[in-house]
Amino acid sequence: GESVGLHLPTLSVQEGDNSIINCAYSNSASDYFIWYKQESGKGPQFIIDIRSNMDKRQGQRVTVLLNKTVKHLSLQIAATQPGDSAVYFCAESLTGANNLFFGTGTRLTVIP
Amino acid sequence: DSGVTQTPKHLITATGQRVTLRCSPRSGDLSVYWYQQSLDQGLQFLIQYYNGEERAKGNILERFSAQQFPDLHSELNLSSLELGDSALYFCASSARVDSSAFFGQGTRLTVV
Repeated sequence: GESVGLHLPTLSVQEGDNSIINCAYSNSASDYFIWYKQESGKGPQFIIDIRSNMDKRQGQRVTVLLNKTVKHLSLQIAATQPGDSAVYFCAESLTGANNLFFGTGTRLTVIP
Repeated sequence: DSGVTQTPKHLITATGQRVTLRCSPRSGDLSVYWYQQSLDQGLQFLIQYYNGEERAKGNILERFSAQQFPDLHSELNLSSLELGDSALYFCASSARVDSSAFFGQGTRLTVV
């Protein structure tokens, strides 16, 4: 089955710095990827997604990069704020499939 | 607010009992997913329905079942509950089977 993993379980950054959260996936056939943010006591919140025909996609303060050659996904958060502190999950899927496979998550802590 | 509503928010029950968790998807979404999140397992896909029909099954136990009703709300039934079933149960919905999923706030189930 698919395996989605994260390189670092925890990440601490200073407020105002940029954050980079990484994710490796194992199924080279996966063609749809999503980043979710989960705050304590809340459900996962959609941040940004990307399909495999793209290498980069930008949102508001966030950028997702996809490197299909090495099966690597990253989430960049610009000017990290205390409100960004949460657990971040990457998830992968295959077009036509009916579920998302989630990684174990990275806890981001922003130091004021 | 994702637009996905789950009830109840908290549930405490005894081993051997049966509970029903309810999910109302976002308006217009036809696809409903159920996930289980426990401390040692991360987010695990359980089952998906699309427009009333079961579309995919993940790591769902035989003691668990679900259905999606004509009004598109879904229920997850958990029976013969065990201590290990204690977890957060999330429902997510999407417009199509291959579009991004939006999560509810979850139901925290505690089996004592």
